[in-house]
Amino acid sequence: NAGVTQTPKFQVLKTGQSMTLQCAQDMNHNSMYWYRQDPGMGLRLIYYSASEGTTDKGEVPNGYNVSRLNKREFSLRLESAAPSQTSVYFCASRRNRNTDTQYFGPGTRLTVL
Amino acid sequence: GIQVEQSPPDLILQEGANSTLRCNFSDSVNNLQWFHQNPWGQLINLFYIPSGTKQNGRLSATTVATERYSLLYISSSQTTDSGVYFCAVERIPADSWGKLQFGAGTQVVVTP
Repeated sequence: NAGVTQTPKFQVLKTGQSMTLQCAQDMNHNSMYWYRQDPGMGLRLIYYSASEGTTDKGEVPNGYNVSRLNKREFSLRLESAAPSQTSVYFCASRRNRNTDTQYFGPGTRLTVL
Repeated sequence: GIQVEQSPPDLILQEGANSTLRCNFSDSVNNLQWFHQNPWGQLINLFYIPSGTKQNGRLSATTVATERYSLLYISSSQTTDSGVYFCAVERIPADSWGKLQFGAGTQVVVTP
């Protein structure tokens, strides 16, 4: 099992550009999450998907959109990137929405100039 | 939301030393996890421990849910233990979703 995979690993954008971060898991998990981590801080939840076909806002959703493409894949889109979105982005998944451990991907380091 | 406080913020250890990291939280929780973020940024699950005590090799953790704290013990530390240790808690409302709330972390440096 690869676990949770994310692409790309690194990305540099100019202000106003758009991009999509991809996340996939092969553990047959129902719930998936997107977090951001800023320097010296813990992770903050951007969006989550409790199950296929549902998505909901987390703590810091402004400037982002998500798509739960199927059970395996959950993408995060920045429509018009801003320097404040410079961060490390982590995707996570777990078996069910309110149980068990969350498993994290390796992260995407995004810089917006 | 729930406040999560981790202490100490920074810890420097000599290889072979033991240490205790603490996580205090402001409300009752259904879930508590400890993570290690290594120097390459990878987040590694250490423990899922909403209550009780667990051990995994040189690491162990205890959560006293009634007193709203958890402790992570590192024994015989090694340089590979360096990194940031995060505590994350979750309170699950009835008929709703839980969300992990992370502390700010404890930065651990183990010197040879």
